[in-house]
Amino acid sequence: GENVEQHPSTLSVQEGDSAVIKCTYSDSASNYFPWYKQELGKRPQLIIDIRSNVGEKKDQRIAVTLNKTAKHFSLHITETQPEDSAVYFCAASMGSSASKIIFGSGTRLSIRP
Amino acid sequence: GAGVSQSPSNKVTEKGKDVELRCDPISGHTALYWYRQRLGQGLEFLIYFQGNSAPDKSGLPSDRFSAERTGESVSTLTIQRTQQEDSAVYLCASSPLLGTDTQYFGPGTRLTVL
Repeated sequence: GENVEQHPSTLSVQEGDSAVIKCTYSDSASNYFPWYKQELGKRPQLIIDIRSNVGEKKDQRIAVTLNKTAKHFSLHITETQPEDSAVYFCAASMGSSASKIIFGSGTRLSIRP
Repeated sequence: GAGVSQSPSNKVTEKGKDVELRCDPISGHTALYWYRQRLGQGLEFLIYFQGNSAPDKSGLPSDRFSAERTGESVSTLTIQRTQQEDSAVYLCASSPLLGTDTQYFGPGTRLTVL
């Protein structure tokens, strides 16, 4: 079926340390993998995305890696700051023409001061 | 420019009543998506539109749920004979292109079924 699994469900790291969130997907035809951040009571917002023709993408303190063979991708946040505390969702395009975006169950990231 | 808007922001209804949720996407966005988010949980895909067409309705939880889009703009999600398990935040998102493009989310409609 169309499924994205995300781990861990909760993550607590010391401010300044790195955080890693991992996802696996079921559809080998998936070719678009966005990550969204949702702060408490707010709407999800895109923070970074990667397409299947690249293996890694960076944007300042955020990086995403993709392993198409293993069907998994990861989000890396370095030098974490208090404002990084939020719920993070991975997602993958699925279905005919990669038209659906299926989300993982989310990771609640807490940054300890 | 204006972002995605949804109305109402909050809806409280009695079990068995019908409700209609509205989404106004960003002008010119071809694709429109509906998701359900139960408290503290992830985003459950419901349905997507390319233009006014919804090719895949398999994500709708039951036949009490339906959605339509007109004028490649406004979309409505209708829930008939609401049940308590329908209580959730219903999020709408739009994107310029279908699938491999940034989704811009609306603020959501919080539905509470008593």
